[in-house]
Amino acid sequence: GAVVSQHPSWVICKSGTSVKIECRSLDFQATTMFWYRQFPKQSLMLMATSNEGSKATYEQGVEKDKFLINHASLTLSTLTVTSAHPEDSSFYICSARDQAGVYEQYFGPGTRLTVT
Amino acid sequence: KQEVTQIPAALSVPEGENLVLNCSFTDSAIYNLQWFRQDPGKGLTSLLLIQSSQREQTSGRLNASLDKSSGRSTLYIAASQPGDSATYLCAPRRFGNEKLTFGTGTRLTIIP
Repeated sequence: GAVVSQHPSWVICKSGTSVKIECRSLDFQATTMFWYRQFPKQSLMLMATSNEGSKATYEQGVEKDKFLINHASLTLSTLTVTSAHPEDSSFYICSARDQAGVYEQYFGPGTRLTVT
Repeated sequence: KQEVTQIPAALSVPEGENLVLNCSFTDSAIYNLQWFRQDPGKGLTSLLLIQSSQREQTSGRLNASLDKSSGRSTLYIAASQPGDSATYLCAPRRFGNEKLTFGTGTRLTIIP
């Protein structure tokens, strides 16, 4: 149980275009999901907390107009990188908290974004 | 602000040895702490979650301990195997806050 999926697993896009990444909890309901980014050989940095049915909470320094988050259902959150630039190239990972659990987070497999 | 440090940053040991990974955190007001492993280019796999009221959690060859007052947790791996090679991350969660703060990670290599 407690499986989180991400789609796509990797994506290459041209500078200036937008990319949408999906995060799904497959066998549990998640009122809260989290989006992280990870640069090579570095740890995970939290970008935003996504709450079902309400606006996401962004960490300091993360542009909310650039990284659009939508959490429309208890099993799906999306991250859209708008007007992507090469510096947005990174590994994006989502996690979901099982609302019935003890605040344990389950992580997706990640999405590798490369902006050319 | 919580700061999490993991020592060593990298570790190589021969197969079969027991080993300990260390995690220290500056804010001891934590609700729980999770240990994860991350394989290259992959997401995170949760290994153990230890509540603030617990001192130890065990899963197979893995044992995590927590000393909240001193801000330390250790992950003990018994009888290491090449498949244990990965980066190990610890992440405490503060009371009243769902966010995890990740450590810098320990890159473990088990030599066959």
